[in-house]
Amino acid sequence: QVQLQESGPGLVKPSQTLSLTCTVSGGSISSGSYSWSWIRQPAGKGLEWIGRIYTTGRTNYNPSLKSRLTMSLDTSKNQFSLKLTSVTAADTAVYYCARAQFTHYSNWGQGTLVTVSS
Amino acid sequence: NFMLTQPRSVSASPGKTVTISCTGSSGSIASNYVQWYQQRPGSAPTTVIYEDNQRPSGVPDRFSGSIDSSSNSASLTISGLKTEDEADYYCQSFDSSYGDVVFGGGTKLTVL
Repeated sequence: QVQLQESGPGLVKPSQTLSLTCTVSGGSISSGSYSWSWIRQPAGKGLEWIGRIYTTGRTNYNPSLKSRLTMSLDTSKNQFSLKLTSVTAADTAVYYCARAQFTHYSNWGQGTLVTVSS
Repeated sequence: NFMLTQPRSVSASPGKTVTISCTGSSGSIASNYVQWYQQRPGSAPTTVIYEDNQRPSGVPDRFSGSIDSSSNSASLTISGLKTEDEADYYCQSFDSSYGDVVFGGGTKLTVL
């Protein structure tokens, strides 16, 4: 069974860069017809799709975040990563990494809370 | 931008049936598959319906999904409600223009 685990700083200062990594275990990140996504959820609010990366390295980003966002894949470590620049308090949320098989997210990480505050 | 609209909350009694709607803002909701996720407090979402009406293994057949093109809506129906079904439910589909993932705002189901 594939498992995903987010890691990264829980506190980021305003205007700095938020960096998170998702480590995949129980399967290879480069095999199969999967895409790898980041999704976030501010406290008490709904889910917001951030973006996804395919095993080819191709990316799709949420248009509202695109100018600040970079996603990458490290097949040697079986990880994928997120970098979000120029963060503000509005970026405070639980960040999930997830695997999609064609249409739906079949596997999720447990989520990691990132707070943007000085 | 394509959006999915859900009611903020619904409620029903144990043993009853409840339906949660998810309405597309433009285009045809039938053009892209709709998924439904259940999220309990403090936990990551899990899939209860994918590709409009398919249930992952382990999801009871009390959960069903459908598409109504006339109202440009998808629906999640839960029959024989149990207290354990109390959770937030999110629909999800895709923006036809670029294939971007779109989530509905979520519906809080209360079983009382």
